[in-house]
Amino acid sequence: SQQGEEDPQALSIQEGENATMNCSYKTSINNLQWYRQNSGRGLVHLILIRSNEREKHSGRLRVTLDTSKKSSSLLITASRAADTASYFCATDAGNTDKLIFGTGTRLQVFP
Amino acid sequence: DAGITQSPRHKVTETGTPVTLRCHQTENHRYMYWYRQDPGHGLRLIHYSYGVKDTDKGEVSDGYSVSRSKTEDFLLTLESATSSQTSVYFCAIRVGLAGGTNEQFFGPGTRLTVL
Repeated sequence: SQQGEEDPQALSIQEGENATMNCSYKTSINNLQWYRQNSGRGLVHLILIRSNEREKHSGRLRVTLDTSKKSSSLLITASRAADTASYFCATDAGNTDKLIFGTGTRLQVFP
Repeated sequence: DAGITQSPRHKVTETGTPVTLRCHQTENHRYMYWYRQDPGHGLRLIHYSYGVKDTDKGEVSDGYSVSRSKTEDFLLTLESATSSQTSVYFCAIRVGLAGGTNEQFFGPGTRLTVL
């Protein structure tokens, strides 16, 4: 069963706009991660937020975590065509040996 | 950066034949993982290893076996391939162990087609 579900499934925006994607999960976690996948490539780790953190920044990325709602959001500011990719959240569901991935959000950024 | 390769990168095989996929890492990471990726399902864990000869099942382990005889190699075997095992297979290593997290670094993937 999927632990994480991303929303929306697909998102299309213009360069310069912000992109927001959301992730909901079902069980308690130690941390939540976001990954990016370019077409035909492996996943690349973007950012990790621990369960005792509410917000984290990395460059143009901003991640929030609300453990009471079991949800997280990833904001990409001032998007670029190169941000076109699929984005996945991943949680450990309390077992740090394994990750459970969501089904992903496909982001298309038009020049 | 962690070095991780997968071989082969592409394979076409017939139903009922055995298939082995190889994942090789150039660093001494203890944990290695095999996932499959299918449209609409995201990544699903098949098996993982937490050391030489130490493996455990994931969410979709039926029809798959793994072996890890040395730290750098993690093999995934389909004993008798079926069309439902047509997928893209990713290997990953856990690079966040020292920090107590499960941050993973992924290989480039193997596209397997079972006819």
